[in-house]
Amino acid sequence: AQSVTQPDIHITVSEGASLELRCNYSYGATPYLFWYVQSPGQGLQLLLKYFSGDTLVQGIKGFEAEFKRSQSSFNLRKPSVHWSDAAEYFCAVGADTGRRALTFGSGTRLQVQP
Amino acid sequence: NAGVTQTPKFQVLKTGQSMTLQCAQDMNHNSMYWYRQDPGMGLRLIYYSASEGTTDKGEVPNGYNVSRLNKREFSLRLESAAPSQTSVYFCASSEALQMGGVYGYTFGSGTRLTVV
Repeated sequence: AQSVTQPDIHITVSEGASLELRCNYSYGATPYLFWYVQSPGQGLQLLLKYFSGDTLVQGIKGFEAEFKRSQSSFNLRKPSVHWSDAAEYFCAVGADTGRRALTFGSGTRLQVQP
Repeated sequence: NAGVTQTPKFQVLKTGQSMTLQCAQDMNHNSMYWYRQDPGMGLRLIYYSASEGTTDKGEVPNGYNVSRLNKREFSLRLESAAPSQTSVYFCASSEALQMGGVYGYTFGSGTRLTVV
């Protein structure tokens, strides 16, 4: 069965500082990996996705993520955080075959200090 | 605006009452999903519909039923609400079931349900 672990429940960074949110997945075959962002009181919005090819993927709002098969990780990064990035971030893994929907991690809440 | 529409946005139920959460998408997506979100637990899949006419159980289906009414609509029913069903419910849709939906999922804005 596929699973996702986000080790950090809550992270606080200063505005302008760099950010890295961790995500580890468990899946036997080639994973389809996603990062979603949820602003307070809102639904989830897709930030970026990895299917195959280049292991560094670019997303919206200046985010990027790197797929590392050897570490089963798909960490999200941003060079310089803005106050508007404060939100909850979810990593998710999908299967390439079979009747499986996306499995989500428990989320990381990002707080941005001025 | 194209997307996923959920109704109602907020609901308070008494234990034992029933209700149906409605979800509709206008993107001609084949697959639809119901997730619940609880603090510290992320999103957990309740039911999903890979295509019109099919439904399958997810991780936490007990106490819920679903109906894929047509390609656009996918409803979630609580027959006898319990306090443990207090949660935020999200409907989502995607092009397909596999490969994370191909282009990912589009989510509705959620229904905040409280059962007292």
